[in-house]
Amino acid sequence: SQQGEEDPQALSIQEGENATMNCSYKTSINNLQWYRQNSGRGLVHLILIRSNEREKHSGRLRVTLDTSKKSSSLLITASRAADTASYFCATEETSGSRLTFGEGTQLTVNP
Amino acid sequence: DVKVTQSSRYLVKRTGEKVFLECVQDMDHENMFWYRQDPGLGLRLIYFSYDVKMKEKGDIPEGYSVSREKKERFSLILESASTNQTSMYLCASSFPRRITEAFFGQGTRLTVV
Repeated sequence: SQQGEEDPQALSIQEGENATMNCSYKTSINNLQWYRQNSGRGLVHLILIRSNEREKHSGRLRVTLDTSKKSSSLLITASRAADTASYFCATEETSGSRLTFGEGTQLTVNP
Repeated sequence: DVKVTQSSRYLVKRTGEKVFLECVQDMDHENMFWYRQDPGLGLRLIYFSYDVKMKEKGDIPEGYSVSREKKERFSLILESASTNQTSMYLCASSFPRRITEAFFGQGTRLTVV
């Protein structure tokens, strides 16, 4: 079964707006990571948040983590057409090296 | 520049064939992973390896096996390819239990006819 579940499955916004994607997971984790995938390509790492952190920023990205609710959110501010891609959360479980991904959110940013 | 290289970008095989997908990383990572990606299902973990000759089943290992004879190379084997194994296959590598990300190959789109 999938460890992470993203919400929404698809999101369509206008350039300049903010995009928020959510991720829920089931087990105890060392860290949670967000990745981006352009159509038909491999995944590229965006940001990592440790289990003892609550919020992290990187450029236009803001990630929050709530371990009590087993959930995370990714906020992309001032979106651009080039942000159009699929976004995945992934969790590294405390039980070992396993890295498990969710189903992803397809973000479309309209110019 | 860190690199994970998958041997083929596109592959077409016949039902019943034995198929080898190769992945090589140049970052001296202990962990290596094989995922398959299907529309609406995200990335599903097939197998992963945390050291040479060590492997663990992921969520969907049926119909697959793996080989890790050298640290830099992790092979995914489809023992007898079937049409339901038509998919995008992604390889990744990482350091274990460190606060670093996984690096992905470009993917192999396998079609079984």
